[in-house]
Amino acid sequence: EAQVTQNPRYLITVTGKKLTVTCSQNMNHEYMSWYRQDPGLGLRQIYYSMNVEVTDKGDVPEGYKVSRKEKRNFPLILESPSPNQTSLYFCASSFWWTEDNEKLFFGSGTQLSVL
Amino acid sequence: GEDVEQSLFLSVREGDSSVINCTYTDSSSTYLYWYKQEPGAGLQLLTYIFSNMDMKQDQRLTVLLNKKDKHLSLRIADTQTGDSAIYFCAVKGAGNNRKLIWGLGTSLAVNP
Repeated sequence: EAQVTQNPRYLITVTGKKLTVTCSQNMNHEYMSWYRQDPGLGLRQIYYSMNVEVTDKGDVPEGYKVSRKEKRNFPLILESPSPNQTSLYFCASSFWWTEDNEKLFFGSGTQLSVL
Repeated sequence: GEDVEQSLFLSVREGDSSVINCTYTDSSSTYLYWYKQEPGAGLQLLTYIFSNMDMKQDQRLTVLLNKKDKHLSLRIADTQTGDSAIYFCAVKGAGNNRKLIWGLGTSLAVNP
C-alpha cells in the first residue's frame, strides 16, 4: 500500500531533550516536506527536499533540522525542543516531474507536546 | 505575502449540497487544490483544478474557479455524514519548490 509513515504518532517530551520524528515513504517520491499545523495558523512549511541530499528552508525552519540521506526517509530533528514547538506535525511527499506531481501524500501526523 | 482565505465553519443537513468557498491573492497561481482532513488523520487530496479551467467535476464534487475574482469553490452534492471533516484550499504559485499557500481550513459539520 502506498503510504507516508510517520513515527511516533504522539510524543511528550521536556524542553531541551533532543528528539527525532521519522518519516518514510514507499512511493519513490523525489519531493518530501514537513509541515506544522497550529490552531488559527493553518499549515506552515518547515523544510522541504527536492531529492537526496537537497534540502531547503520553508516558512518556519527555526529550531528544526532535516536530512535526506536516502530517497525514502526524511527525518525531522529538534535539537533543543521548546514549548513553542508544541504542534501537530505532518510529513508529505510527491513525485516531482511527472503528471502526478501535483498530488501531495500526507502522513497521519505526529502530535508533539514539549513541556 | 500571498494569502488564501476560507470561512472557518459550515453546517449543512445530510442530503443537502455543501459549498465551501476560498479566495486567494496570487494571480500567478497555477494549480488550486482541495484537501480533506478527517479527525486524527493527515490531509488527503480531494481534487484540483488547473488555472486555465473554469470548472471540474468529479462524481459528487464540483470545483468552480473564477480567476477574475480569484475565487475557488468546492460543491459537495448530496452531503453525507462521512463528509464531515476540515477542507483546506491550497494554491500553488509559479515557483518550483512545490510550495503551497494554504487556507486555514473550513470545518464542515453534516447534521442528520
